[in-house]
Amino acid sequence: DAGVTQSPTHLIKTRGQQVTLRCSPKSGHDTVSWYQQALGQGPQFIFQYYEEEERQRGNFPDRFSGHQFPNYSSELNVNALLLGDSALYLCASSFRATNEKLFFGSGTQLSVL
Amino acid sequence: DAKTTQPPSMDCAEGRAANLPCNHSTISGNEYVYWYRQIHSQGPQYIIHGLKNNETNEMAPLIITEDRKSSTLILPHATLRDTAVYYCIVRLRGSSNTGKLIFGQGTTLQVKP
Repeated sequence: DAGVTQSPTHLIKTRGQQVTLRCSPKSGHDTVSWYQQALGQGPQFIFQYYEEEERQRGNFPDRFSGHQFPNYSSELNVNALLLGDSALYLCASSFRATNEKLFFGSGTQLSVL
Repeated sequence: DAKTTQPPSMDCAEGRAANLPCNHSTISGNEYVYWYRQIHSQGPQYIIHGLKNNETNEMAPLIITEDRKSSTLILPHATLRDTAVYYCIVRLRGSSNTGKLIFGQGTTLQVKP
């Protein structure tokens, strides 16, 4: 059983560009959450998707947007990249009805130059 | 902001017990205590959670004080593979809140041979 998978594993972009990160949840999971982890810091919650809608959002600007597809996979989009967006982006999944814990992927390391 | 306080770092000798403390003095009756750990270059991994009683699973026992204001995660026989950042997190009950975790800085546990 594959766990949470994220692609790509590494990405380099320049300021002002746009980026799309992808996540496939663990089999049987229907909820996807995204986190940003700067170097040396704990992960910060960006938003959560369930039934193809954004359900909760952390303190991130509108440049950060997402999408969830009918197969529960998800994308994170970041527009107008800033140097400060350089971080590890983590996807986590869960089963909303019964699951009390998150399963995390290994993340996408984004570098903005 | 995180509602927990943890020591920034701890050392432990291999084979000895590692007791990881966490203070959550403002915890409410509707909040669980969760523990995750993050090994370098990986996503966080769920360890255990509890509400008001001591809990245990295949990974580690969790001791929660009677007033629920603090907890201790115990690694009975630490191995080198337990070297990681350990996060103690307080989270509202309810499956809609599963995906939204507020991480602090965590405790960096270094297990030494």
